[in-house]
Amino acid sequence: EDKVVQSPLSLVVHEGDTVTLNCSYEVTNFRSLLWYKQEKKAPTFLFMLTSSGIEKKSGRLSSILDKKELFSILNITATQTGDSAVYLCAGIANAGGTSYGKLTFGQGTILTVHP
Amino acid sequence: GAGVSQSPSNKVTEKGKDVELRCDPISGHTALYWYRQSLGQGLEFLIYFQGNSAPDKSGLPSDRFSAERTGGSVSTLTIQRTQQEDSAVYLCASSPLLVRTQYFGPGTRLLVL
Repeated sequence: EDKVVQSPLSLVVHEGDTVTLNCSYEVTNFRSLLWYKQEKKAPTFLFMLTSSGIEKKSGRLSSILDKKELFSILNITATQTGDSAVYLCAGIANAGGTSYGKLTFGQGTILTVHP
Repeated sequence: GAGVSQSPSNKVTEKGKDVELRCDPISGHTALYWYRQSLGQGLEFLIYFQGNSAPDKSGLPSDRFSAERTGGSVSTLTIQRTQQEDSAVYLCASSPLLVRTQYFGPGTRLLVL
């Protein structure tokens, strides 16, 4: 059975701190790993990582995938209170040439950024 | 353009009643997914549609759960004879053909009393 595990489960920091969120995965026929930010209900897409060792960056957020060790990290630098959210990672498997890819989610990391 | 929309946003029902949850995917997205998120848990896959067909229903927790999609667009998730353990947020996501990034709707929060 496919499995994605995130750590830590929760994290409390102060504005300006840098945080690293971890995601390890065991996904049969793995294709990509996705990171989402969930503030209220709808997860919003952050990154999709398919190639190992290539950092993806968006503002203060960056992420990298290690397909040998089967993990990914999400870094947030100079954190702000607006970064407070649940961060979800999900593994997606290959399924031929279709867009099908059932996402297997981790349990999420709850990040709280205090002023 | 408009994102994925879901209705109702909240639903409170009594144990044993049937409920219908609706999802309107992004226009042109051929793939549609339903997930469930129970309190403090990650998202759990329920069912996947490609067009109007559902090649993967493996995540539906029991035969009380069913879903359909019509016209390659709107999908309805039906839960019959609801139980308290069905209480959760039900999220719908869609993606374009050959693109694996899934875009989520705001979810329906279901509470079964």
